[in-house]
Amino acid sequence: DARVTQTPRHKVTEMGQEVTMRCQPILGHNTVFWYRQTMMQGLELLAYFRNRAPLDDSGMPKDRFSAEMPDATLATLKIQPSEPRDSAVYFCASGPALRGGKSYGYTFGSGTRLTVV
Amino acid sequence: GESVGLHLPTLSVQEGDNSIINCAYSNSASDYFIWYKQESGKGPQFIIDIRSNMDKRQGQRVTVLLNKTVKHLSLQIAATQPGDSAVYFCAENPAFSGGYNKLIFGAGTRLAVHP
Repeated sequence: DARVTQTPRHKVTEMGQEVTMRCQPILGHNTVFWYRQTMMQGLELLAYFRNRAPLDDSGMPKDRFSAEMPDATLATLKIQPSEPRDSAVYFCASGPALRGGKSYGYTFGSGTRLTVV
Repeated sequence: GESVGLHLPTLSVQEGDNSIINCAYSNSASDYFIWYKQESGKGPQFIIDIRSNMDKRQGQRVTVLLNKTVKHLSLQIAATQPGDSAVYFCAENPAFSGGYNKLIFGAGTRLAVHP
């Protein structure tokens, strides 16, 4: 089965350090999402891309977070500097654009569990 | 990768019984909905979706019902199995136009299946 691959699976870092999370979307999918999951807030949309262009990053704290797609096979989410409140599980999801009116659910990766101490 | 919060509503069912998980959505402009299942340590997994021009859709052992009048969505699982134990999320897409989707997730419901 095709899958979305996220690395690293776990990351522990000290406050103030830079963190980079990576995502390899499913080949051929041209829409990529970043979500953050915490116990308090649930699943929050941070950013989404279509054809590598950012369509919406309004859910992302701009001062410290940045998301990019250097190429069609790699999406990155960077936090600099990291803070303890950034501790969460970060998910990447990818999906195809709609064709012929038929739509599909997006496929999520297994997430990166980030702990900032 | 737990999705669970300490205060997630929990539905407890006996193995073999049918389960019904409910979701109220907020945006009357949403016209596409998805149910996801999340097991501990994993990402959300697509179960079934439905568009607003339908009020019912069936999959394998699962049925989604949509009531647009009251903005309510439900997921029915037939003959619930221990492997169905997970947190279930409904997600709505508030802007359904070609290729320009974003999903807004509900808080989730934990399903606990007892033997």
